[in-house]
Amino acid sequence: KAGVTQTPRYLIKTRGQQVTLSCSPISGHRSVSWYQQTPGQGLQFLFEYFSETQRNKGNFPGRFSGRQFSNSRSEMNVSTLELGDSALYLCASSRGDSYEQYFGPGTRLTVT
Amino acid sequence: GIQVEQSPPDLILQEGANSTLRCNFSDSVNNLQWFHQNPWGQLINLFYIPSGTKQNGRLSATTVATERYSLLYISSSQTTDSGVYFCAVAGNMLTFGGGTRLMVKP
Repeated sequence: KAGVTQTPRYLIKTRGQQVTLSCSPISGHRSVSWYQQTPGQGLQFLFEYFSETQRNKGNFPGRFSGRQFSNSRSEMNVSTLELGDSALYLCASSRGDSYEQYFGPGTRLTVT
Repeated sequence: GIQVEQSPPDLILQEGANSTLRCNFSDSVNNLQWFHQNPWGQLINLFYIPSGTKQNGRLSATTVATERYSLLYISSSQTTDSGVYFCAVAGNMLTFGGGTRLMVKP
């Protein structure tokens, strides 16, 4: 069974631009979660989608948004990029509540 | 929210040594996972262990949910074990500890 895939793997953007990251979960998994990892803040939860609905949201500004499609693939969008948004963005999928989460390889975003 | 603390933050070992990594959490949980982050950033699943003990080769883990801690044991460490180890707790909103950075020297 194929693992979680994320595209693109690397991205360089300029302050003020926006970016869209994509995540394809493991087949059969309906939950997709997004996390941001930075050296200063560690791994932080962004949001979680289940059956196209956002179920949980972390403490991030409204510039961070996401969505999930009927095939469970998910996208996250960051608008008006700031230097502090430079991070590794990780996506995870699971079957649902309290099930093991599996992570993708991540997208490394650099904002200049 | 729930707090997760890992210790030690850094650990240096000689190849062949054993080690124990600890994860303390502040509230009851229904999910606890241990991960190894590889040099490229991917989180590799080691254990899904909300309670009890599991073993996988040289690695084993124990979670005592009633006392709110989990331990990860690495025996006969190898240089390939180097990296950062994370524990994470709760449901679909995983809360991560700060990690233990392990370096195994040949």
